[in-house]
Amino acid sequence: DAGVTQSPTHLIKTRGQQVTLRCSPKSGHDTVSWYQQALGQGPQFIFQYYEEEERQRGNFPDRFSGHQFPNYSSELNVNALLLGDSALYLCASSLWRVTYEQYFGPGTRLTVT
Amino acid sequence: TQLLEQSPQFLSIQEGENLTVYCNSSSVFSSLQWYRQEPGEGPVLLVTVVTGGEVKKLKRLTFQFGDARKDSSLHITAAQPGDTGLYLCAGGKYGGATNKLIFGTGTLLAVQP
Repeated sequence: DAGVTQSPTHLIKTRGQQVTLRCSPKSGHDTVSWYQQALGQGPQFIFQYYEEEERQRGNFPDRFSGHQFPNYSSELNVNALLLGDSALYLCASSLWRVTYEQYFGPGTRLTVT
Repeated sequence: TQLLEQSPQFLSIQEGENLTVYCNSSSVFSSLQWYRQEPGEGPVLLVTVVTGGEVKKLKRLTFQFGDARKDSSLHITAAQPGDTGLYLCAGGKYGGATNKLIFGTGTLLAVQP
């Protein structure tokens, strides 16, 4: 039973560029949440998708957008990258009715230069 | 706004010592999770507590949820080098359209052999 997978593992982009990160949830899960984590700090909630709709959003600008597909996988898009967007981006999957039990992928390390 | 404060922020101890990590908030949570994260990896779920006053034991780890469901503690007995990592508490707020996990500030634990 595959857990949560994310791609790519690492990514280096230049300021102003756009990036797309991908996530496949754990088998049987229908909800995907995205987090941004700075080094040594707790993850910050970006947004959550269920039934292909954004259900909740954290305090992140509109440059951060996402999508969920019919197979429950999800994408996180960030436009007009800033140096401050450099972080570990984590995807977590869960069941909508048990959203508090989230299982995380290994993350994508994004570096913006 | 960070709603969950963890203490201590950093902890360096010798193998065999005991330690306690605290997670405090002024908000009431429906559930409380503890995660452990190693460098370059996603957080791994250790335990979920949902009832005020609940105590759960996982080998050498003891987790407690406060009676008022605003705080929690993690106690490790006879720490081992393998316990090294970033410990994160996360509070669940859900109901209706609100299903989300709020992470604490994190406690970085280093166990020296």
